Formats: sequence, structure tokens, C-alpha cells
Amino acid sequence: GENVEQHPSTLSVQEGDSAVIKCTYSDSASNYFPWYKQELGKRPQLIIDIRSNVGEKKDQRIAVTLNKTAKHFSLHITETQPEDSAVYFCAASRAYSSASKIIFGSGTRLSIRP
Amino acid sequence: NAGVTQTPKFRVLKTGQSMTLLCAQDMNHEYMYWYRQDPGMGLRLIHYSVGEGTTAKGEVPDGYNVSRLKKQNFLLGLESAAPSQTSVYFCASSYGDRDSGNTIYFGEGSWLTVV
Repeated sequence: GENVEQHPSTLSVQEGDSAVIKCTYSDSASNYFPWYKQELGKRPQLIIDIRSNVGEKKDQRIAVTLNKTAKHFSLHITETQPEDSAVYFCAASRAYSSASKIIFGSGTRLSIRP
Repeated sequence: NAGVTQTPKFRVLKTGQSMTLLCAQDMNHEYMYWYRQDPGMGLRLIHYSVGEGTTAKGEVPDGYNVSRLKKQNFLLGLESAAPSQTSVYFCASSYGDRDSGNTIYFGEGSWLTVV
């Protein structure tokens, strides 16, 4: 079945440095790749997403890149701040399909050191 | 506009008891999902629905049943609760159409403990 692998499971970076989280997916028909941020005790919330017809997307300090050939995508956070500390989940799905179920990676716990 | 609402938020069950988690969304979304979240396991899809009257199995469907009798509601049932079903349950919904991709919106979660 479909699978999404996410690395690393934990990541600690100095405030102001960059953080990179990587995911690979198995379903070659996947065409929609969202990233979610989950703060402690809260629900996951969408922070950025990318579709398969785009190689890169940026929103302020957050960017996502997609390599369809290699079936992997990455989240890049620059100039990290304390409020970036959270668990981040990648996901993959086939948008527009009746078989559209969203499969999540196992999550990355990001800690920002002051 | 409340978004996705789950009830109850917290529940303690004894092994073998049954219960139903209720999920309601007011965004007119076609797709609805139930996930469970366990430490170190991320979000795992239990069951999902692509429209009123439809349901489908996800990654971990055993021990659960669902129903989507109305478009705005998606119910998750545990017929005979087991300690392994202790988890945080998230309901979610999405449009599933071309313009919206498949952005999903989560409820606040339901903390279930089975003793």
C-alpha cells in the first residue's frame, strides 16, 4: 500500500539556523503534498502545500521542494524562531481522485535552542 | 462557522465497552476522515469517506466501524474497546476538488483511554 517515510524523527537547531525535514512517498500517482504543524496538545494545522506540477513553493520563511522523479519532497525553515518548535508532518495524496486518502509521515519533532 | 467539531473530547472506557465518536463539519466538505495518533506513530488513517453514504478502510481499520449517513457527520464506532485503542482520535474533512487540492482541516481531537 501507500507509504510516506519522514526523516529525521527529531531535530534540534540553534535559533536563527535553518531546519530541513525530508519525506519520500511510494505512490507514484500522488500529486498533492501538504505539510502540517502540530503544537503540543493542539490539532495539526496546514502550513504549506505543493502540487505535482510545481517544483518549489515559498511562503516567507518556509519553503517546500518536490522531486517527482525521486519521489521525495522537503520542508525548509529558515531563520528559525522559538515558535517554530512543534511536530511537523508531511503527507501525500491523490487529489481529485475518488481514491483520495491522505497518508501522513510519522512526524518530526523540531526543537529550537535559544 | 465552527469548522470540524468532535465529541466527546475526553473519555475513559472499560475494556469491552462500546462507544461512538461524533464528528460534524459545517464547511460542506465531501471528504471526511478519522485518524488516530499515538506517540511516535504519527497520524494513521482508520477509515474515510468520499461522500454521503460511502465509507472506505484506511491503514488501521480493525476494531472500528464508521457511518456517513449525512454529509456533515462522520461517526466512528468502537464495538468492544481494547487497551490498544487508547489514543488521540482526530476527525478531519476536505473538499477533495481540483481547486482546493485536498487540504484537510482537523478537529480538536478526542482523547480516549481504555482501561
